[in-house]
Amino acid sequence: DVQLVESGGGLVQPGRSLRLSCTTSGFNFAEYAMSWFRQAPGKGLEWVGFIRSKSYSGTAEYAASVNGRFTISRDDSKSIAYLQMNSLKTEDTGVYYCGRDRGLFLHYYGIDFWGRGTTVTVS
Amino acid sequence: DIVMTQSPLSLPVTPGEPASISCRSSQSLLQSNGNNYLDWYVQKPGQSPQLLIFLGSNRASGVPDRFSGSGSGTDYTLKISRVEAEDVGVYYCMQSLHTPYTFGQGTKLEIK
Repeated sequence: DVQLVESGGGLVQPGRSLRLSCTTSGFNFAEYAMSWFRQAPGKGLEWVGFIRSKSYSGTAEYAASVNGRFTISRDDSKSIAYLQMNSLKTEDTGVYYCGRDRGLFLHYYGIDFWGRGTTVTVS
Repeated sequence: DIVMTQSPLSLPVTPGEPASISCRSSQSLLQSNGNNYLDWYVQKPGQSPQLLIFLGSNRASGVPDRFSGSGSGTDYTLKISRVEAEDVGVYYCMQSLHTPYTFGQGTKLEIK
């Protein structure tokens, strides 16, 4: 079974850093792009960014609201995606989800698997 | 950025009755490969989002056939042929044609 599990959330002061992990299993992680999303309390879903598979450069793209502060990386040997969050702001508070994105040959089947999320509180 | 606009934002439905949600994008989501990069997700209370429909009209694995997606270009519709109590939640459309991916505001479906 495909599983994605986020971890690393917690309470952090403004200006500090936090690193989230998305540990996956049940599929060939290296073949897939991985996306990060977030949801502020009582609000809708927001895309944070994604990282391509190494077959497609392994580069990342970000939402404007986090660009320059957040960095997405991946460790294909461990099947983990990371979200490094620096210079955190109170408006970064929310639940952070990772999701499986485009696969081989950029075939797209939606964000077909999501983790349960990890909560980040910046206060 | 592509702006996604959903309507209605609140949708009370009697069990067994149909329901429909509209999603409009500020630019076409139809790529030259013929795919419309529009997905539908539902977030049930206390849960993470789950995929219902991808590329405009393709049901995700395990999704009941009472859910259907249609549309092309800038106008899309999610239809539920007969609403059940378990369908309660917030429904989102999302475009993945261009980054940043963007979501609609969400439509809260409730049972009358």
